[in-house]
Amino acid sequence: GAGVSQSPRYKVAKRGQDVALRCDPISGHVSLFWYQQALGQGPEFLTYFQNEAQLDKSGLPSDRFFAERPEGSVSTLKIQRTQQEDSAVYLCASSLRQRDEQFFGPGTRLTVL
Amino acid sequence: AQKITQTQPGMFVQEKEAVTLDCTYDTSDPSYGLFWYKQPSSGEMIFLIYQGSYDQQNATEGRYSLNFQKARKSANLVISASQLGDSAMYFCAMRGQTSYDKVIFGPGTSLSVIP
Repeated sequence: GAGVSQSPRYKVAKRGQDVALRCDPISGHVSLFWYQQALGQGPEFLTYFQNEAQLDKSGLPSDRFFAERPEGSVSTLKIQRTQQEDSAVYLCASSLRQRDEQFFGPGTRLTVL
Repeated sequence: AQKITQTQPGMFVQEKEAVTLDCTYDTSDPSYGLFWYKQPSSGEMIFLIYQGSYDQQNATEGRYSLNFQKARKSANLVISASQLGDSAMYFCAMRGQTSYDKVIFGPGTSLSVIP
């Protein structure tokens, strides 16, 4: 595709449910990033992949958060046993090579009731 | 630790006027990059401009220019000839040399352009 796509765009979950958020990076982009953006704040780094390798997961807030990119393209961010504090917009970004400009997707707005 | 500060939560500017959005940063990395992104109400982050810490000249991209003052650790964004479509959130961000591609964002400034 022409840009980074994310699905679903909106997700409402009941507290305790598991959710899976998908990111399709720009074709050929090696690097992929996940960010969490709470309402009224700037994005905060969650995790980074180079191809299929997860090189940095220091931003994941708890062990309920898990990300994968098994074939080095599409990535999934999974949140287990969602809590109200997980409500945020989850942004995915990709770049052609390490340290290139990052292109962002439209985000998934997660609301946990 | 790296940190980005944007002290203006909200700004107003008259259409066709210029506006400066402030950004200061803190890092111990000798080499780093500074970015500005625009986020309209649709939510997508749009890259505007980049400044490398060793770049000799201030970056410019069309109506956007970055006023980089390394000694003061500031990287203010200047938007000339404001347009109604410039109304959005603006985020200053930084990438250091020691943290792969991790980008640290500031809290953002909300810009409203008044007709």
